[in-house]
Amino acid sequence: GENVEQHPSTLSVQEGDSAVIKCTYSDSASNYFPWYKQELGKGPQLIIDIRSNVGEKKDQRIAVTLNKTAKHFSLHITETQPEDSAVYFCAASFDNYGQNFVFGPGTRLSVLP
Amino acid sequence: GAVVSQHPSWVICKSGTSVKIECRSLDFQATTMFWYRQFPKQSLMLMATSNEGSKATYEQGVEKDKFLINHASLTLSTLTVTSAHPEDSSFYICSAQAGTGGREAFFGQGTRLTVV
Repeated sequence: GENVEQHPSTLSVQEGDSAVIKCTYSDSASNYFPWYKQELGKGPQLIIDIRSNVGEKKDQRIAVTLNKTAKHFSLHITETQPEDSAVYFCAASFDNYGQNFVFGPGTRLSVLP
Repeated sequence: GAVVSQHPSWVICKSGTSVKIECRSLDFQATTMFWYRQFPKQSLMLMATSNEGSKATYEQGVEKDKFLINHASLTLSTLTVTSAHPEDSSFYICSAQAGTGGREAFFGQGTRLTVV
């Protein structure tokens, strides 16, 4: 089955700096890769996603890149702010008709003021 | 994005009792809903997938008789934890997928269950 790894497990950056979180997946059939932000005591919130026919997607300060050959994708947050502090999960989906997400173990991001 | 509402947000129950958690899609019809369990500082683990009007599909190791899932309408799914024990204490999260072919998933705010 699919296996998603995520690094680093914790990340601390200074406010205004960039943060990069990387994920790798094992199943080449996976074709949808969302990123979720989870604040303490809350459910995950979709922040950006990318499909396998696209190499990069950007939404204001957030961008995601996908390398299908290497089977890895990354989340980039620029100009970080304290409110970006949260746990971020990547996921890979290998089912065209359903969800069947496999989540990475998560990255705890701390943005220091 | 679409809104998924989960209720209650937290619940404390006694060992041996049952607890029902509701998951509603507020502004879209969810043909498929998913239930996850999350232990502290860990990732989300899929428990089961439910499609409206049919039986839920449970992941390996999840007891279907203990975690009853009902998806009676396109906007509501319920998870009932039967005969709860302290080891069932966890954060339960639902998500919903809108329509056919769409793969975006929207999560509820989660329910923290504590069994005492």
